[in-house]
Amino acid sequence: DGGITQSPKYLFRKEGQNVTLSCEQNLNHDAMYWYRQDPGQGLRLIYYSQIVNDFQKGDIAEGYSVSREKKESFPLTVTSAQKNPTAFYLCASSIAAGSTDTQYFGPGTRLTVL
Amino acid sequence: DQQVKQNSPSLSVQEGRISILNCDYTNSMFDYFLWYKKYPAEGPTFLISISSIKDKNEDGRFTVFLNKSAKHLSLHIVPSQPGDSAVYFCAACSASKIIFGSGTRLSIRP
Repeated sequence: DGGITQSPKYLFRKEGQNVTLSCEQNLNHDAMYWYRQDPGQGLRLIYYSQIVNDFQKGDIAEGYSVSREKKESFPLTVTSAQKNPTAFYLCASSIAAGSTDTQYFGPGTRLTVL
Repeated sequence: DQQVKQNSPSLSVQEGRISILNCDYTNSMFDYFLWYKKYPAEGPTFLISISSIKDKNEDGRFTVFLNKSAKHLSLHIVPSQPGDSAVYFCAACSASKIIFGSGTRLSIRP
C-alpha cells in the first residue's frame, strides 16, 4: 500500500533532549512537509523540501532541523532550543510543491516533553 | 495575523440535515483552496478543492462555494452522516505556500 508513515505514534522525552521524528513515504512524491498542530490552531509549517538534498524553512522553523538525503525520507529533529516542543507533528507529501498539488498526510506523532 | 480564519471552533448538526462550515481569508493572492477532514489521532485527509477561477465545486455530498469578493469560502455537506463527525480544516494556497485555518469540529447528532 502506498502512503506516508510516521513513527512512533506517541513519543515522550525529557526536557533538554533532542528527539528525531521519522517520516517515510512510498508515493514517489518530490515534496515533503512538516507541520505542527496545537489546540485551537491550524497546522503551522515548520520545514518543507521540494526535492532531495534541498529544504526550506517554514513559518516556525526555530528550534527544529531537517534533512532530505533520500526522496522517501524527511526526518525532523526537535532540538532543545525549541521552547515549546509538546505538540502533534504531522508530515505530508505532494507530487510537487505547487499550490494545486494535494498534500497527503501521515498519521502524526504526538510528542510530549516532560 | 491569521490569513485564514475559521471563526466557529465547533458545530453540531442533526443527522440528515445540512452542515455548513465557513472559512474567511485575507490575502487576495490565494488562488486555490482546499478542505481537509481530520479524525482524532490521525493525519488530515483531502476532501475537496476549488480554484479561484470557479465559484462552486461539487463532489457527491460535498460542495465548496467560493465568494472571492467577500474572501469567503464554505463547505456544505448534505445530508450529514455520523461518519462526518471530525475536524475540518480549510486551507488557502498561493505559489508554493499553503496556510491552514484553525479548524472547525463538526459533530453529527442522531
